[in-house]
Parts: sequence; structure tokens; C-alpha cells
Amino acid sequence: EADIYQTPRYLVIGTGKKITLECSQTMGHDKMYWYQQDPGMELHLIHYSYGVNSTEKGDLSSESTVSRIRTEHFPLTLESARPSHTSQYLCATSSLGQGPTEAFFGQGTRLTVV
Amino acid sequence: AQSVTQLGSHVSVSEGALVLLRCNYSSSVPPYLFWYVQYPNQGLQLLLKYTSAATLVKGINGFEAEFKKSETSFHLTKPSAHMSDAAEYFCAVSGRNTPLVFGKGTRLSVIA
Repeated sequence: EADIYQTPRYLVIGTGKKITLECSQTMGHDKMYWYQQDPGMELHLIHYSYGVNSTEKGDLSSESTVSRIRTEHFPLTLESARPSHTSQYLCATSSLGQGPTEAFFGQGTRLTVV
Repeated sequence: AQSVTQLGSHVSVSEGALVLLRCNYSSSVPPYLFWYVQYPNQGLQLLLKYTSAATLVKGINGFEAEFKKSETSFHLTKPSAHMSDAAEYFCAVSGRNTPLVFGKGTRLSVIA
């Protein structure tokens, strides 16, 4: 079954640690996105990719980095976690297309930095 | 630049009552518009999308939305609220090849 997998679902980590949030998809989609969701619900685009070796920063400035070495994998890395990084991180995918192509979302990773 | 504004961060309705969640968009190009729903500790699920084929769009779970260009609106409605409709709802806009831009969301509460 086509799906989007995010691991871990929940993570509590100490300040200064390096972390990588995993996102993998079997949707066969070229486009992938990372959104950061505030506790108050609002979603902000932090990174996106339209294909292998292509990554762009989103609207929200983020200290995280991403890579896209394989079509199905789009990990997000924080080199040194801080309490301000506490948030929910949502990975999404969409297909290349001319019309309105909706994004499909994973279940999210809830990150707490203590 | 594209943006959406959702009026009302929290809407509360009685079970069986009309649900109306408001969304206004701003776009310099013909917009693609979407409504998503999010249940606690879950990702977002697509409710419906505007494809320009019809101004009244029907989605899942009995929801529908009407695109009104003159009002730059894409409000979400459901004739009769059910307890299971309680969730967060997000309006989003995109261009032809741009990522989705989301509104701040509206929390819908349904009172028995």
C-alpha cells in the first residue's frame, strides 16, 4: 500500500544533540516537503524538494538541513537541537502535475527538546 | 505571493447544526485551493480541492466548499455536524508548481 512513513513518531532529546527525522514514501511521488507545525496549529514550510539532488528552503527560516539522495527518502537533520526546535514536524509528498496536485501527509514526528 | 486567511481560530457548533468554516485567499495567479482536516496526533487528510471544473466542490464526510472569485473565498460547509467532525481544519492555496501555503487553522468543536 502506498504510504508515507515518518520515524520516530515521538522524540524527547537533550539540548545540543544531533537528530535526524526520517521520512520515506512509497507513493512514487517526486515532490517532498517538510512542514513545522506550531503548538497553536499553524503549519510552516521549512524545506522542499522536487527531485533527487534538489532541495530548497521554505518560507520559515530553519536551522535544519535536508538531503534528497533517493527519490523515496527525505531526511531532516538538526545538528544541535535547542528547546526552540520543540514542535511537530510533518513530511508530505505530491506528484508532478499540471493541475492542482494535493499533498499527502505522514503522521508526523513530535519533537521535544529539553 | 499566495496566502490564505482563515477567519476564526475556534468555531463551536451543536451536533446537527450547520458547519461553516471561512477561508479567504490572496493569489496573483489562478489559485488551486484545498481543505484539509487533522485529527489529534495525526497528519493532515485531504477533504476536498478546487480544480476549476466546478465552483461547488464536494468532498469526503459530507463536506463541500464553494469557490467565489468575486469574494476571493473558499468557505467549507457541512449541513449537519457530527461529533466525529471535531478536529482542526486547514485551508491551503498553491500555484501551478508551488508548495501548499496553509492558513492558521480553525479548531471545530461539536457540542452534544
